[in-house]
Amino acid sequence: DVKVTQSSRYLVKRTGEKVFLECVQDMDHENMFWYRQDPGLGLRLIYFSYDVKMKEKGDIPEGYSVSREKKERFSLILESASTNQTSMYLCASNIKGESYEQYFGPGTRLTVT
Amino acid sequence: GENVEQHPSTLSVQEGDSAVIKCTYSDSASNYFPWYKQELGKRPQLIIDIRSNVGEKKDQRIAVTLNKTAKHFSLHITETQPEDSAVYFCAAISWGKLQFGAGTQVVVTP
Repeated sequence: DVKVTQSSRYLVKRTGEKVFLECVQDMDHENMFWYRQDPGLGLRLIYFSYDVKMKEKGDIPEGYSVSREKKERFSLILESASTNQTSMYLCASNIKGESYEQYFGPGTRLTVT
Repeated sequence: GENVEQHPSTLSVQEGDSAVIKCTYSDSASNYFPWYKQELGKRPQLIIDIRSNVGEKKDQRIAVTLNKTAKHFSLHITETQPEDSAVYFCAAISWGKLQFGAGTQVVVTP
C-alpha cells in the first residue's frame, strides 16, 4: 500500500518567513511532484523531480524552490512567503515507466498572514 | 503546453440518476487520461483512466469515453449514490506531466 506523507496538515506563517514543506513516500518511487490546489483552478504543478538532486519547473514555479537530496523525500521551499501563497499544497509520487498513476499525500493547508 | 478544460464546475444530481462530466484537451500528443476523485478533506485518488488506444473503459458504475479526433473525454457515473459526492478532476498527460482540469463538484441528493 503506497504511503505518501506530508510534514504538516495545517501551517500558519507570517509574510516574509521561509517555509519548508516536506513530503516522504515509502514506495521507492522515482518521480515526485508538488502541486497547489485552489478553488476553481484545479491542481497546478509547481515543481517535479525524476531523480535524486534533479528538479524541473512546473507551470507555476515563481516564488518556490525544491530540494531532493534523498529518493524518498521531496521538499518545497517558500523563500519569502507571501499572502498569495496561501493555499493547499499537495505532494504526489509515481513510479517511472508506463504507469502514470500518481499517489497523493494528505495535503498541507498553508495560511500566510 | 497542454490545456485541459472541464465542465460543469458544479453538478447536482438526484440519487439514482446519472452524472456526466466533460473535458477537452489541446495537446494531440496526449495519450493518457485519468480521473481523480477527491472527497471532502481527503487526498485525490485515481478512480479510472484511459489510454489513447481505446475509446471506452468501464468499471462497475463508472465509465470513461475518449474521442481523440475531437480531443475530448468524459466521465459517466450511473446509479449515483451519496458516496459519489466529491470533487472530480480530469487530467491529460503531456511531456510526462499531468495537466488537471479545474474540477467538478458533484452533489448527490437523496
